[in-house]
Amino acid sequence: AQTVTQSQPEMSVQEAETVTLSCTYDTSESDYYLFWYKQPPSRQMILVIRQEAYKQQNATENRFSVNFQKAAKSFSLKISDSQLGDAAMYFCAYRSPQRTSGTYKYIFGTGTRLKVLA
Amino acid sequence: DSGVTQTPKHLITATGQRVTLRCSPRSGDLSVYWYQQSLDQGLQFLIHYYNGEERAKGNILERFSAQQFPDLHSELNLSSLELGDSALYFCASSVGTSGTSEQYFGPGTRLTVT
Repeated sequence: AQTVTQSQPEMSVQEAETVTLSCTYDTSESDYYLFWYKQPPSRQMILVIRQEAYKQQNATENRFSVNFQKAAKSFSLKISDSQLGDAAMYFCAYRSPQRTSGTYKYIFGTGTRLKVLA
Repeated sequence: DSGVTQTPKHLITATGQRVTLRCSPRSGDLSVYWYQQSLDQGLQFLIHYYNGEERAKGNILERFSAQQFPDLHSELNLSSLELGDSALYFCASSVGTSGTSEQYFGPGTRLTVT
């Protein structure tokens, strides 16, 4: 069964510094999608970044980038120039390939709480 | 504001009862997804509807059911409620059919079962 593991329950970073959140997953599939979501104190879930497994190039969105290591089944999120507004819960998620029936699995990690220190 | 609306914001009910949570997707989005976030189970994908048809099922209990109506709004029905059903229920919407395009989340409905 597919699993997603976020081994860091909590991380802290100084404002303007860089922090990396780790995520590992387990799957026997070769074609899948990976996501990082941010959940600030308001509880609203926001997509941060998305990676398609068949793409070797790491996804980047402004200050957010990923280090996707397919063989190692690792998908870490790097936040550069951290800002106070980055403080939130971050969830890693895996979306399996779609079956001929149309169904798929969507699995979240347990989350990492990021604190940004002024 | 994501453009996805959910009602009600808060709901308090007793064990054994039935409730309906409502979601209106962003204009133009044909897919609706439901998620449950609880302290015990974390964040779980429940179900995905596209243009009125069920596309994928996650960890949705048999006591729960959902549907998407012709006007594309969706309802999640929770019956025979148990204390463990207390959670934040999110709805999300997207343009695509496959669950891989960006999903826009609503603010959630906080369900408390007493």
